[in-house]
Amino acid sequence: GAVVSQHPSWVICKSGTSVKIECRSLDFQATTMFWYRQFPKQSLMLMATSNEGSKATYEQGVEKDKFLINHASLTLSTLTVTSAHPEDSSFYICSAARGDYGYTFGSGTRLTVV
Amino acid sequence: SQQGEEDPQALSIQEGENATMNCSYKTSINNLQWYRQNSGRGLVHLILIRSNEREKHSGRLRVTLDTSKKSSSLLITASRAADTASYFCATDGQKLVFGQGTRLTINP
Repeated sequence: GAVVSQHPSWVICKSGTSVKIECRSLDFQATTMFWYRQFPKQSLMLMATSNEGSKATYEQGVEKDKFLINHASLTLSTLTVTSAHPEDSSFYICSAARGDYGYTFGSGTRLTVV
Repeated sequence: SQQGEEDPQALSIQEGENATMNCSYKTSINNLQWYRQNSGRGLVHLILIRSNEREKHSGRLRVTLDTSKKSSSLLITASRAADTASYFCATDGQKLVFGQGTRLTINP
């Protein structure tokens, strides 16, 4: 079945540094991918919609200069958290739409900023 | 803002019992989907029900959709310890928006 691979699964970084998270569709092409953020015991909040070959669409309240999204190919989207701070610590999840099969999600990335 | 609201927020039952979770949403939808999330993991797609469908089954799962009430329910029959997880409904209009989720605990 369709698989979305997300790396890394966890990362610890120092405050002020940048972190890149990759999301790859392994056996299908994903023209659109989505990035979510999830705080402990809370739901997934859509951050942005990533479209191949064009600029990402950000949800209200999400800083596009802080959360850089690049979707350079039909199988890869990346989220870069720039100048990370402790409040950016969260669980980040990507997903890709698969038409009638719903959405396939990556396994998530646990980001801890110290 | 969240589109779906699950009810209850937490549910604890004995193994073998049935678990029912409800979801209400606000706007028109193309379809509604249910997902499961084990702690600290990604989401697993369980079932999708289209806006013109009223009921759908998949194994031990039964999903209903009432578009007039803008609500859906997920029934898990004969629950198992492995069903312990958080369950989310998500509505798919122009984008997938998740509810708050129900944390289901199956006690052995």
